[in-house]
Amino acid sequence: EIVLTQSPGTLSLSPGERATLSCRASQSVSSSYLVWYQQKPGQAPRLLIYGASSRATGIPDRFSGSGSGTDFTLTISRLEPEDFAVYYCQQHGISPWTFGQGTKVEIK
Amino acid sequence: EVQLVESGGGLIQPGGSLTLSCAASGFTVSSNYMTWVRQAPGRGLEWVSIISSGGGTYYADSVKGRFTISSDNSKNTLNLQMNNLRAEDTAVYFCARNGGNSRVERYLDYWGQGTLVTVSS
Repeated sequence: EIVLTQSPGTLSLSPGERATLSCRASQSVSSSYLVWYQQKPGQAPRLLIYGASSRATGIPDRFSGSGSGTDFTLTISRLEPEDFAVYYCQQHGISPWTFGQGTKVEIK
Repeated sequence: EVQLVESGGGLIQPGGSLTLSCAASGFTVSSNYMTWVRQAPGRGLEWVSIISSGGGTYYADSVKGRFTISSDNSKNTLNLQMNNLRAEDTAVYFCARNGGNSRVERYLDYWGQGTLVTVSS
């Protein structure tokens, strides 16, 4: 099973700041199969990034994804109030599909 | 517009059975890969099961042999039959549509709001 480790666990930032979230895989993952989701309290997750760097429909361009192999990054260039949430990475290349444990982006 | 609405959750005793349903609109369930994901209270996301457009099914080891995923073409729904439930199955269960039928499209592009299953005596 591929273990995805996200860091940091919590990121405390102010609106307007840049957020950099990390997702590290226990073995190499093809970038085609690396995804990022956003989840707000009491809501379902929302697809943000697929294929490591492609934005899903309707996702603002302040969200960007990058990386390859075992190291992937989600960057939010300038945090908006609605961006404070929990972010999960996921790989869907090798069964069982796995999620990272999440990074919470909170208001400082 | 694509919509997914889960139902069937509730309080169930250990060892009991429950069937979750996910009513889809705006697309045809049987033409898509569909997935169940769960989230224990205060915890992260856990993949549970997937059904292919051809009817192939796959399960997480934690539920294999106890859960069965299926689709009902007449009702355009996705189902999850859960047997021999354990306390550790307590979670919000989300159904989700996979983005497409190719391997690179199996991200989850639409999600339901979830239904809570509580396994407790």
